[in-house]
Amino acid sequence: KAGVTQTPRYLIKTRGQQVTLSCSPISGHRSVSWYQQTPGQGLQFLFEYFSETQRNKGNFPGRFSGRQFSNSRSEMNVSTLELGDSALYLCASSLIGGSGTEAFFGQGTRLTVV
Amino acid sequence: SQKIEQNSEALNIQEGKTATLTCNYTNYSPAYLQWYRQDPGRGPVFLLLIRENEKEKRKERLKVTFDTTLKQSLFHITASQPADSATYLCALDSGGGATNKLIFGTGTLLAVQP
Repeated sequence: KAGVTQTPRYLIKTRGQQVTLSCSPISGHRSVSWYQQTPGQGLQFLFEYFSETQRNKGNFPGRFSGRQFSNSRSEMNVSTLELGDSALYLCASSLIGGSGTEAFFGQGTRLTVV
Repeated sequence: SQKIEQNSEALNIQEGKTATLTCNYTNYSPAYLQWYRQDPGRGPVFLLLIRENEKEKRKERLKVTFDTTLKQSLFHITASQPADSATYLCALDSGGGATNKLIFGTGTLLAVQP
């Protein structure tokens, strides 16, 4: 079956702009989590959605937001971009989430803020 | 404060030897711990999961141990091959086992020399 699909793969934005990233989970998976990966901070949890509800949130400012649709597809949005938002944004899907279900990651979206 | 540390940033070993990677954590009580492999430019790939009530888990050439008293997990690759060269990440559950909020270590870059 198809894996987790993230679009776009690469993005270049200017400071102050906003950006929307998309994630299509594996068919049947209901939990979608988002992570930010940078060389300095590693992989950091942004938020998790399950059945269209945000179930968990990491320690990121309110400029980072997300949502999940009824078909489990998810989007994350970053408003008022800053240079420090340049990172690889990864989406992971799981069958139900919790109880140690494995997470399947997409290839990521490489965001560069100039 | 809560911390997850992977003891080595980089580990170089000879082909055929056993690679041992360490993951230590403080101020967490994870219900489970996972290990992932990440290749450059790609998302992490799930390898193994071990629960708090398990001491050891094996899968082919991989072995994971979990000591909740020492707050440590060891990840072993036996008979290592150059194809095993990658960054290995440990991740623990910080959602009490009920959600998919994974906290990742900074990773260990393993290089297996032929």
